[in-house]
Amino acid sequence: DARVTQTPRDKVTEMGQEVTMRCQPILGHNTVFWYRQTMMQGLELLAYFRNRAPLDDSGMPKDRFSAEMPDATLATLKIQPSEPRDSAVYFCASGLVRSGAGELFFGEGSRLTVL
Amino acid sequence: GENVEQHPSTLSVQEGDSAVIKCTYSDSASNYFPWYKQELGKRPQLIIDIRSNVGEKKDQRIAVTLNKTAKHFSLHITETQPEDSAVYFCAADKGGGSQGNLIFGKGTKLSVKP
Repeated sequence: DARVTQTPRDKVTEMGQEVTMRCQPILGHNTVFWYRQTMMQGLELLAYFRNRAPLDDSGMPKDRFSAEMPDATLATLKIQPSEPRDSAVYFCASGLVRSGAGELFFGEGSRLTVL
Repeated sequence: GENVEQHPSTLSVQEGDSAVIKCTYSDSASNYFPWYKQELGKRPQLIIDIRSNVGEKKDQRIAVTLNKTAKHFSLHITETQPEDSAVYFCAADKGGGSQGNLIFGKGTKLSVKP
């Protein structure tokens, strides 16, 4: 049963620290998404990649967030410096997009708390 | 920009009753409309989806209807059970789906009381 794997599952850090979240998408999926979930905003798209190339990162605060996909088995989301308002659950999802949108497979999420 | 509105934000029903959640979308190019279920502390998982060439789709106790002219779609759960309690998200693909990007509604917290 193929799954999207995310690390860490939980992270507590202090304001100003760097945070890196990692995601291993399902093998064979060509599209990887980063979503942020909060009570107020629901699921917000931060960035996504097709065949490792960034397609859209307009949902991401550029001054402190960066997303990369160094190889097909790893996507990263980095926050530097972190702020309390970044506290949320960050989900990675992957999917196989060919002729149109289809099912996204979500990881278990990384719960970030910035004190 | 493109938007998906979802109502209600919370819904409480008695076990055995039906539950209906409604969504409207703004992007007329949207063609794909999935519904995700997220149990407490878990990841969202697809439960049913519909494409614009179909008006209704059913899978056991759940069904989705789509009115593309009015730009709205709905999730129907019949004979609800306590294990249906979760947050449900509707979504629509952006820009015709060529990118695979989904815009999500803000979710409906469904509580099924035994």
